[in-house]
Amino acid sequence: AQTVTQSQPEMSVQEAETVTLSCTYDTSESDYYLFWYKQPPSRQMILVIRQEAYKQQNATENRFSVNFQKAAKSFSLKISDSQLGDAAMYFCAYRSRQGWGNKLVFGAGTILRVKS
Amino acid sequence: NAGVTQTPKFRVLKTGQSMTLLCAQDMNHEYMYWYRQDPGMGLRLIHYSVGEGTTAKGEVPDGYNVSRLKKQNFLLGLESAAPSQTSVYFCASSLQGDTEAFFGQGTRLTVV
Repeated sequence: AQTVTQSQPEMSVQEAETVTLSCTYDTSESDYYLFWYKQPPSRQMILVIRQEAYKQQNATENRFSVNFQKAAKSFSLKISDSQLGDAAMYFCAYRSRQGWGNKLVFGAGTILRVKS
Repeated sequence: NAGVTQTPKFRVLKTGQSMTLLCAQDMNHEYMYWYRQDPGMGLRLIHYSVGEGTTAKGEVPDGYNVSRLKKQNFLLGLESAAPSQTSVYFCASSLQGDTEAFFGQGTRLTVV
């Protein structure tokens, strides 16, 4: 079974600065997806960024980018020019491309606090 | 377009009571899922469905039952609630197995 580990329960960043959230995962598969989800206080789960394992290029979405290290099974999220609205819980998630369904395996989450 | 809607948003149950959580999606998605979110554990899959009339167990299915009688609805039932089932429950749906999952707004359930 796959596992996802987020070793940082909480992180803080000053507004306009850059912060990196860590995620490692364990799998024996070679083809899979990785995701970062944002959960603000409203509880809504918002997809931030997605990475396909067969793509070597790191995914980027505006101020959000990832550092995908397949051999090391590492998938960190970098948030540049942090804004107050970035404050939320962030979840790293894994999804296999084998089998049925879109079953996501989540890490425990990292609370990001943004200081003004 | 409402997306994924969960009913109710909050509920308090007494130990031993039963209840059903309703998830409705209006995107014609084939796949639907129920997760529970607990502090320090992220979201864990309870049950899922790959189409109308089908259901399958996820990571933590004990104490829950589900039904998918209509494509747009996925029901999660608790027959005899226990305090260990206090959690936030999320429903999600996706068009196919490899497309983006859309989440509902969650249901906070407290069992006393």
